[in-house]
Amino acid sequence: DTAVSQTPKYLVTQMGNDKSIKCEQNLGHDTMYWYKQDSKKFLKIMFSYNNKELIINETVPNRFSPKSPDKAHLNLHINSLELGDSAVYFCASSQDWGGGREYFGPGTRLTVL
Amino acid sequence: AQTVTQSQPEMSVQEAETVTLSCTYDTSENNYYLFWYKQPPSRQMILVIRQEAYKQQNATENRFSVNFQKAAKSFSLKISDSQLGDTAMYFCASQSYNTDKLIFGTGTRLQVFP
Repeated sequence: DTAVSQTPKYLVTQMGNDKSIKCEQNLGHDTMYWYKQDSKKFLKIMFSYNNKELIINETVPNRFSPKSPDKAHLNLHINSLELGDSAVYFCASSQDWGGGREYFGPGTRLTVL
Repeated sequence: AQTVTQSQPEMSVQEAETVTLSCTYDTSENNYYLFWYKQPPSRQMILVIRQEAYKQQNATENRFSVNFQKAAKSFSLKISDSQLGDTAMYFCASQSYNTDKLIFGTGTRLQVFP
């Protein structure tokens, strides 16, 4: 059984479009995250949610809006896509706050043309 | 602020040999954790090893071990008996207990040759 799943795995779209990436975890974890990995492989945290509440919100453009309908899901919606948004986006979850093992999803490669 | 530095962009090692990947970090926190993650070409992020900063004993996981030097803020990863499947990007990361932010280094690309 997949622990952290993301859909879609690949997303190709035009500049200016709005798109969403979905994430689900079946581990019963309380905390979920979104990370961005750029073309140079640099990974940076974007958001974290704990029990459906936003905890970490890094300096991310407000075109990015995470939504957590329940503890098992954390979706990422991106408005007005730009070329610089092209990256791999990883969802992750963790049972423990502050140092717990994070389980990563397979990533979504977003390409903005 | 937390920072993590990996000074080796690329490393290579022959199968069955031992290789050490370097990592230094900086943090003002007292309670933090350190990690090594592996990212093979499949791009899946896989936890290799985790170290709690308050523990002096170095963590080990089978062929993987760390050399944790807290005063020097150094956290290197040793891979023994390297295997072809170890070929991957390796990321060092730190996480503050208070902020829960996982901060990654820039990664080291490891190639294992037969």
